[in-house]
Amino acid sequence: QITLKESGPTLVKPTQTLTLTCTFSGFSLSTSGLSVGWVRRPPGKALEWLALIFWDDDKRYSPSLKSRLTVTKDTSKNQVVLTMTNMDPVDTATYYCAHSDHRGWFDPWGQGTLVTVSS
Amino acid sequence: DIVLTQSPATLSLSPGDRATLSCRASQSVTSYLAWYQQKPGQAPRLLIYGASNRATGIPARFSGSGSGTDFTLTISSLEPEDFAVYYCQQRSNWPSMYTFGQGTKLEIK
Repeated sequence: QITLKESGPTLVKPTQTLTLTCTFSGFSLSTSGLSVGWVRRPPGKALEWLALIFWDDDKRYSPSLKSRLTVTKDTSKNQVVLTMTNMDPVDTATYYCAHSDHRGWFDPWGQGTLVTVSS
Repeated sequence: DIVLTQSPATLSLSPGDRATLSCRASQSVTSYLAWYQQKPGQAPRLLIYGASNRATGIPARFSGSGSGTDFTLTISSLEPEDFAVYYCQQRSNWPSMYTFGQGTKLEIK
C-alpha cells in the first residue's frame, strides 16, 4: 500500500522561504519510471501543478513558478522536499504531494497540508 | 502551454440523474488525460486515467471517453456521495509538464 504525507510549517511570513517534506512508503523512488509530484489548491480555487521529480533525479517545474521552486529527493529516507522562495499571501493554499509514474497520473495523494502566508 | 477548459463550471443535478462533464484541451494530448474527484477537506482521488480507464476501486458508473482535444466524464446514475468537484489533468511530453482544468462543481439540485 502506497501512502504519502506532507509536513512543514502551517504559517509563513511574506518573503520567507517555504520548505515542505513529503514522506512516503510503499514504493522506492529509485525504481525506474516512478516520480513524486507537488500540487496545490488555494482556497476556493483550482488545483495547480507545481513540480515533479523522477527516479533518475530529473525534475520538472511549472513554468510560472520555476524561478521560485526547487524539488529534491532523499531516496534513503523515502522523502521528497519542495522549497518555494519569496512567499506571498497569494501562495496560501493546501499543498499536496502525490505518487506518479511515466504515464503522468497522480495516485495516490497525501492528505495535504494547509500553508498560510501572512505577516 | 496546453490549457484545459472544463465545462460547465457548475452542474446542478439530482441523485439518479446522469452527469456529463467536459474537458477540452487547447491542443492534442492524445490519451494522456486523467479525471479526479475532490470532496471538501479531502485530497483528490484518481477516477479515470488514459482517458477511459477506471482506476482501482472506482465504481462502474464512472466512465471516461475521448481523445485528442475533447474528453468527457460520465456518471451514469448519481449517488449522493458523487457530489464533489471534478478536475481533468493532462501530461504533455514537450515541454514536459502537467496541467489541471479549472474544475466542475457537481452540486445537488
